[in-house]
Amino acid sequence: EIVMTQSPATLSVSPGERATLSCRASQSVGSNLAWYQQKPGQAPRLLIYYASSRATGIPARFSGSGSGTEFTLTISSLQSEDFAVYHCQQYNDWPLTFGGGTKVEIK
Amino acid sequence: QVQLVESGGGVVQPGRSLRLSCAAYGFTFSNRAMYWVRQAPGKGLEWVSVISYDGSIKYYADSVKGRFTISRDSSQNTLYLQMNSLRAEDTAVYYCARDQREFSYGYPVDYWGQGTLVTVSS
Repeated sequence: EIVMTQSPATLSVSPGERATLSCRASQSVGSNLAWYQQKPGQAPRLLIYYASSRATGIPARFSGSGSGTEFTLTISSLQSEDFAVYHCQQYNDWPLTFGGGTKVEIK
Repeated sequence: QVQLVESGGGVVQPGRSLRLSCAAYGFTFSNRAMYWVRQAPGKGLEWVSVISYDGSIKYYADSVKGRFTISRDSSQNTLYLQMNSLRAEDTAVYYCARDQREFSYGYPVDYWGQGTLVTVSS
């Protein structure tokens, strides 16, 4: 099983600042990496797939990068609606696995 | 628009069974692989099972293999999860979710239901 590790567990950021979230895979997943956003009491929402492709309707301030085992989600200028938990997921191999999540909170 | 509506959650005793349903609207259900993903209280996401668009391929997480069965009824646009021999560690919100691509499986999820809570407790 591919283990996905996200860091940090919690990120405190002021509105308007840049946020950088990391996701590491225990073995290469190529570019088969997705990022989801989840707000309290809501289902996750797909942000990024193939490591760097934005999903439909996702603002340009969200960007993804990386390949192999190291991935990054960057939010260029945090808006109030961006404070949430972010999950990475690999879909290169079964079982599909998620990271433990990074909570982005208001500083 | 695309909508996924789960039902069937509730409180159940350990060792008992429960069947979850997910009604799909706004897309051609028979063209998409479907997933169940769960989230224990305060925890991360865990993939549970996938069924291909035609029902011919099914995969399960090791944690539920042999106890849970995924199925679909494309005439009713409904996805199911039969859960047997339930354990306390199965307590979670269960989400129904759609594969991003048509006629394939193993891609990211592009739509999620709102989830149904399953609590396994005596």
